[in-house]
Amino acid sequence: GAGVSQSPSNKVTEKGKDVELRCDPISGHTALYWYRQSLGQGLEFLIYFQGNSAPDKSGLPSDRFSAERTGGSVSTLTIQRTQQEDSAVYLCASSQPGLAKEQYFGPGTRLTVT
Amino acid sequence: GNSVTQMEGPVTLSEEAFLTINCTYTATGYPSLFWYVQYPGEGLQLLLKATKADDKGSNKGFEATYRKETTSFHLEKGSVQVSDSAVYFCALSEAGNKLTFGGGTRVLVKP
Repeated sequence: GAGVSQSPSNKVTEKGKDVELRCDPISGHTALYWYRQSLGQGLEFLIYFQGNSAPDKSGLPSDRFSAERTGGSVSTLTIQRTQQEDSAVYLCASSQPGLAKEQYFGPGTRLTVT
Repeated sequence: GNSVTQMEGPVTLSEEAFLTINCTYTATGYPSLFWYVQYPGEGLQLLLKATKADDKGSNKGFEATYRKETTSFHLEKGSVQVSDSAVYFCALSEAGNKLTFGGGTRVLVKP
């Protein structure tokens, strides 16, 4: 079946602009995660959605970052007033509910802030 | 807070050599432990996992044993192939299921 998809695959933006990154999880997966992968910081957790529960936003690095998940499916990560340090690969993952379930990762969106 | 430490790479090996990648963790509770792998040009994928002490995860000839006494989850493979060239990430999760990753270890297997 279809895996996790993300769009766009690449995004180049100017410093100060807003960007939106999209994630389509695997159908039926109620858990959705955003991570980012950068040279300086490695792989970092950003935010976690589980069903209708309030999201775990503990990994968001600043209030310029936000995410929503509509209808328990598609998620959008928004970065406002982008900075050069936001340049990274943003990864989305989804999983079935429950402890230690395998997270299936999308191919990522490579964001470059110039 | 939680953290994962793994050996820095790159690790360069010849085909059929033995591979070990060390991983240790710090956690406030009783985490589940994972190894994820990222092959060149591909996305992250789960290699193996273990959810309690003394459990051994295994897949594709790789093994790792959850050692609570040493807070370790070292990855091993007895005979590597060129196709095992990849970046390997050790990770843990607790009740919230979010993954805390180590820094990754790049492995290069030469024919």
